[in-house]
Amino acid sequence: SQTIHQWPATLVQPVGSPLSLECTVEGTSNPNLYWYRQAAGRGLQLLFYSVGIGQISSEVPQNLSASRPQDRQFILSSKKLLLSDSGFYLCAWSLGSQPQHFGDGTRLSIL
Amino acid sequence: QKEVEQNSGPLSVPEGAIASLNCTYSDRGSQSFFWYRQYSGKSPELIMFIYSNGDKEDGRFTAQLNKASQYVSLLIRDSQPSDSATYLCAVNIPRNYGQNFVFGPGTRLSVLP
Repeated sequence: SQTIHQWPATLVQPVGSPLSLECTVEGTSNPNLYWYRQAAGRGLQLLFYSVGIGQISSEVPQNLSASRPQDRQFILSSKKLLLSDSGFYLCAWSLGSQPQHFGDGTRLSIL
Repeated sequence: QKEVEQNSGPLSVPEGAIASLNCTYSDRGSQSFFWYRQYSGKSPELIMFIYSNGDKEDGRFTAQLNKASQYVSLLIRDSQPSDSATYLCAVNIPRNYGQNFVFGPGTRLSVLP
């Protein structure tokens, strides 16, 4: 069966520091991969999605970037974090038009 | 018009009652529909999906789809306090560009003991 791993679970970072969040999927090949952010009490905001290695689509302009160095690995990065980057970051995977499945998320606090 | 809309709630129902959650979508070409449950501080989990008009039942949950009226609903029978969560509707919209999977903003459900 397929599983998705996302880490770390929580992260506290100072303003201006770099960020790297990692997500890996096991048990499937060539999945679609997604990064979402969710502010407290709000809906899901799609940040990036990828349909294959090296193929990244950005949904919103911001100081975040994403990379997919391997088929089942998706990385969210920032060179300099802003206070507004705080939130709950979720990685998800899907196959074709099948539903998305989420990792456990990373709660990011910026000080 | 937003692609997927839901009432934000909160929707409050007494324990044992039927909770009815509604979702409307704008693209008539939408083909598949999903309901996710998200507990506070946790990630969304898939609880139901429906592709054809009509009802689909799974335990205490029933998903209803009406493509002509462009709405999908989720009924929770015999609601329990453990059902208190935010319910997200998601729609797969076939298109040649961009991302096909669109989430609604979610409806917060509170089941009162």
